[in-house]
Amino acid sequence: AQSVTQLDSHVSVSEGTPVLLRCNYSSSYSPSLFWYVQHPNKGLQLLLKYTSAATLVKGINGFEAEFKKSETSFHLTKPSAHMSDAAEYFCVVRALNTGGFKTIFGAGTRLFVKA
Amino acid sequence: KAGVTQTPRYLIKTRGQQVTLSCSPISGHRSVSWYQQTPGQGLQFLFEYFSETQRNKGNFPGRFSGRQFSNSRSEMNVSTLELGDSALYLCASSPYSGVFTGDLGQETQYFGPGTRLLVL
Repeated sequence: AQSVTQLDSHVSVSEGTPVLLRCNYSSSYSPSLFWYVQHPNKGLQLLLKYTSAATLVKGINGFEAEFKKSETSFHLTKPSAHMSDAAEYFCVVRALNTGGFKTIFGAGTRLFVKA
Repeated sequence: KAGVTQTPRYLIKTRGQQVTLSCSPISGHRSVSWYQQTPGQGLQFLFEYFSETQRNKGNFPGRFSGRQFSNSRSEMNVSTLELGDSALYLCASSPYSGVFTGDLGQETQYFGPGTRLLVL
């Protein structure tokens, strides 16, 4: 069975400070893991993905995530928050099972950035 | 390459009506998935199509249906609309070829901007 837990529904940071959005997962198969961002009234934009090539994954806009198998975590970080980072972030597990790929979304973490 | 496109972007319907939403995947992508996003339930998987065949289906009533055409474009239909069907409907395409080659990148889904449906 697969599941995704985003540990914080809301995170608030000041501009210029680090961002940490936490995600834990479980999967019976070797999964691919993704982070997407959704700005208000927009679709989902791919930030980064883990597909077993490297445990530290760099994405767009300065975001990165580290896959830790022992902790079943895939936390998203950014060294310095920008006002434009305010959005909702989704951690996603996707794995191959009978019939095709199965996709599970986390509940989302809303990031607030204070000036 | 052009991204995933969805039409219409906004739609208002009344209860009992039906609606058809359209999705054009990224050129060369043959797999299309549909999701419903609501404030209360979050993102929920509706169905996935590949080569005109439905491969996976989420836990939605039979009022929700879809299809995929030979050019990989997909439509979803909701009949007998209910107030609770008001949502953002997202379409995603991926380069999955139907055969898992070991390239996990083929699982990557690219999303369209969504169709916002309001049922009155």
